[in-house]
Amino acid sequence: QKEVEQNSGPLSVPEGAIASLNCTYSDRVSQSFFWYRQYSGKSPELIMSIYSNGDKEDGRFTAQLNKASQYVSLLIRDSQPSDSATYLCAVLAPGNQFYFGTGTSLTVIP
Amino acid sequence: NAGVTQTPKFRILKIGQSMTLQCTQDMNHNYMYWYRQDPGMGLKLIYYSVGAGITDKGEVPNGYNVSRSTTEDFPLRLELAAPSQTSVYFCASSSGQGRGYTFGSGTRLTVV
Repeated sequence: QKEVEQNSGPLSVPEGAIASLNCTYSDRVSQSFFWYRQYSGKSPELIMSIYSNGDKEDGRFTAQLNKASQYVSLLIRDSQPSDSATYLCAVLAPGNQFYFGTGTSLTVIP
Repeated sequence: NAGVTQTPKFRILKIGQSMTLQCTQDMNHNYMYWYRQDPGMGLKLIYYSVGAGITDKGEVPNGYNVSRSTTEDFPLRLELAAPSQTSVYFCASSSGQGRGYTFGSGTRLTVV
């Protein structure tokens, strides 16, 4: 079983819609969760971190964490074509190693 | 503010050659990491360091070596390059355990 799993997509949403990206993880003791955005040919860029159960909002982005279900998600409201990228979920495991999902490709259609 | 700087950006190596990927950061971060990214495989941790003089293996360390003589620099050495080492390599740093990463721009390496 992979430590972090994401649907590879591609996920397509129309401009202005809400994009929902999901991630599950296998290690129950994980405490830190991150979302990175990676444009094609570029390096990953940190967009959100979440450490506690519930929602965390930052502008158009909302991260949601449910530790009981081992589930973390990212919602992008009012999606823009510039949001088209691959979104990577990362989970900090014991031993200070991050495990990354393989990423979900998002395309926002104008 | 340069952040994390990686050189070179592109490199083609012949099988059996060696090279060093350079990584330097100017944020005074203690934690530094090397990842490789293969298509459809996600980011895999090669080596990491929690401070000068301290390094440890990650998930895929075979064929690589690192050193950390200063806080700023964390070079990755490839000995006897193999086609399986064809990948994009990212260096990253963070201010502490559980903190998000700042990534360098990456090195695209092809071994032929």
